[in-house]
Amino acid sequence: AQRVTQPEKLLSVFKGAPVELKCNYSYSGSPELFWYVQYSRQRLQLLLRHISRESIKGFTADLNKGETSFHLKKPFAQEEDSAMYYCALSGGGGGNKLTFGTGTQLKVEL
Amino acid sequence: GAVVSQHPSRVICKSGTSVKIECRSLDFQATTMFWYRQFPKKSLMLMATSNEGSKATYEQGVEKDKFLINHASLTLSTLTVTSAHPEDSSFYICSATRTNTGELFFGEGSRLTVL
Repeated sequence: AQRVTQPEKLLSVFKGAPVELKCNYSYSGSPELFWYVQYSRQRLQLLLRHISRESIKGFTADLNKGETSFHLKKPFAQEEDSAMYYCALSGGGGGNKLTFGTGTQLKVEL
Repeated sequence: GAVVSQHPSRVICKSGTSVKIECRSLDFQATTMFWYRQFPKKSLMLMATSNEGSKATYEQGVEKDKFLINHASLTLSTLTVTSAHPEDSSFYICSATRTNTGELFFGEGSRLTVL
């Protein structure tokens, strides 16, 4: 069975501080990992995916197969980064069939 | 950009009645759509995969007769909660895969309250 774990429900940081949102997964095959973001009163939207290895809005995430992790990082948090972040996994049964973590609420304080 | 729209965004119904929620891809064709349920402060739980022109594939533990899914066209999937009960109250979210690119887009969600 596939599972995504986000251990932190809430992460509060000061503006300009580094951010790391943790995500660990469990999957027997080769998964595809994603980070989705949901800003206040908006729908879920894709932030980044591990296969593209890109940086979006200053965020990066590296897939560590040894540690089965896909932590989301940003060196300097901005106020507009405050949102709900979901880590998701896709593996088998169709490329867009996602298993989501429980989400982490990021709050960036001034 | 591609938009997925859900209707209604909020619905309140009496126990025992049926409620239909629509998921539309407004400017693209979606062969596959997904229905999720989100409980308060919890993750999105995949309920079923909806494929245009064929029967939906339900996840384990999801009652097919309770949550009827129809995907009659490339731009519309519907979720009907039959004989709704208070425990069916939840936030239902759909997503649609853009057929020609494989990109996934989410609807804004529909909040169902069963009295």
